[in-house]
Amino acid sequence: AQSVTQLGSHVSVSEGALVLLRCNYSSSVPPYLFWYVQYPNQGLQLLLKYTTGATLVKGINGFEAEFKKSETSFHLTKPSAHMSDAAEYFCAVQMDSSYKLIFGSGTRLLVRP
Amino acid sequence: EAGVAQSPRYKIIEKRQSVAFWCNPISGHATLYWYQQILGQGPKLLIQFQNNGVVDDSQLPKDRFSAERLKGVDSTLKIQPAKLEDSAVYLCASSFTGTANEAFFGQGTRLTVV
Repeated sequence: AQSVTQLGSHVSVSEGALVLLRCNYSSSVPPYLFWYVQYPNQGLQLLLKYTTGATLVKGINGFEAEFKKSETSFHLTKPSAHMSDAAEYFCAVQMDSSYKLIFGSGTRLLVRP
Repeated sequence: EAGVAQSPRYKIIEKRQSVAFWCNPISGHATLYWYQQILGQGPKLLIQFQNNGVVDDSQLPKDRFSAERLKGVDSTLKIQPAKLEDSAVYLCASSFTGTANEAFFGQGTRLTVV
């Protein structure tokens, strides 16, 4: 069964610094990959997704992620953090054989002024 | 476009009581998910519907949880009897049929069992 591992339950960066949130998946075949963001007391919102084709995916709010099959990774990055980026970020996988959408445990991003 | 609607937003019950949550997905979305999100954890898939059929309920504690999706639209999730460990946010999401489609989430129902 597929699973998702997010390294680091909390990541703290200074405003303007690079954001890097890590995600690794376990699957015998490349799955579809997603990053969602959750603001306090809100549901989850899609940031970006990888399906096929270009391995560097751009999303909303300046975020991007790169699918690396050899490393089974889909890390999320943003060149310059903004205070409004403070939220919880979830990586998720979905297999072609079913529509199950499985989430990682999440990483809380803190942005220091 | 209206989003996924959930009610109630908050619910406090005593253990051993029953509770029900309601979800109205986005019009046209055949796939509907119910997730349980315990504080500090990622969403855990409880059940997934395709129209009014169950695709996956392997993580649903069937001795106390039940869910239905009548006419392939609205869905209800019920807990009876509730336990303290059921305290969590229950999220409903919907999407178009097929993989790689964005799942749209409701704001969730925060359940506290005392």
